Amino acid sequence: KQEVTQIPAALSVPEGENLVLNCSFTDSAIYNLQWFRQDPGKGLTSLLLIQSSQREQTSGRLNASLDKSSGRSTLYIAASQPGDSATYLCAVNSRGAQKLVFGQGTRLTINP
Amino acid sequence: GAGVSQTPSNKVTEKGKYVELRCDPISGHTALYWYRQSLGQGPEFLIYFQGTGAADDSGLPNDRFFAVRPEGSVSTLKIQRTERGDSAVYLCASSPIGLAVTDTQYFGPGTRLTVL
Repeated sequence: KQEVTQIPAALSVPEGENLVLNCSFTDSAIYNLQWFRQDPGKGLTSLLLIQSSQREQTSGRLNASLDKSSGRSTLYIAASQPGDSATYLCAVNSRGAQKLVFGQGTRLTINP
Repeated sequence: GAGVSQTPSNKVTEKGKYVELRCDPISGHTALYWYRQSLGQGPEFLIYFQGTGAADDSGLPNDRFFAVRPEGSVSTLKIQRTERGDSAVYLCASSPIGLAVTDTQYFGPGTRLTVL
């Protein structure tokens, strides 16, 4: 059974800092891994999708990496801004199962 | 274009009542998913539709939960004899194909269900 863990559960940093969010998963047989952002009381917004054959994806100030063999992904946020404050969720789409298994999320606060 | 929409946005009901939650996926998306999110947790999978058929319903917690997608677009999640433990945000997502490594799931805003 696939299990996804995100560390830390919460993170608070001053504006302008670069930061890394971590995600680990137990079964390396995956189709892809997605990073989502969730604002309070809102749905999920897809940030990046990394296919199983890829090592990283970039979108603006965001860079996500994938190390399938070790079961790890990181989301790097450069030059953080207060508007980046949200909960970030990592989700894995396992082979043979068309469903996402989510971590519990990292609640990020960027202080002005 | 329009994203995934869900109605109602909030639903308050009494224990033992029946509720229906509706999801309108992105037009043309073949795959549709239901998830449930409890406070402080990540979403948990309930059911996945490929077209009109439920391809995987392994996440439905018990037989009080049922979902349909009769014409391959709109889906309804039905909960019978609601219990206080059913209180959560119910999220719907859709994706273009559902069977591809490049398939991104797009989520709706969710329905917050409160069972009193």
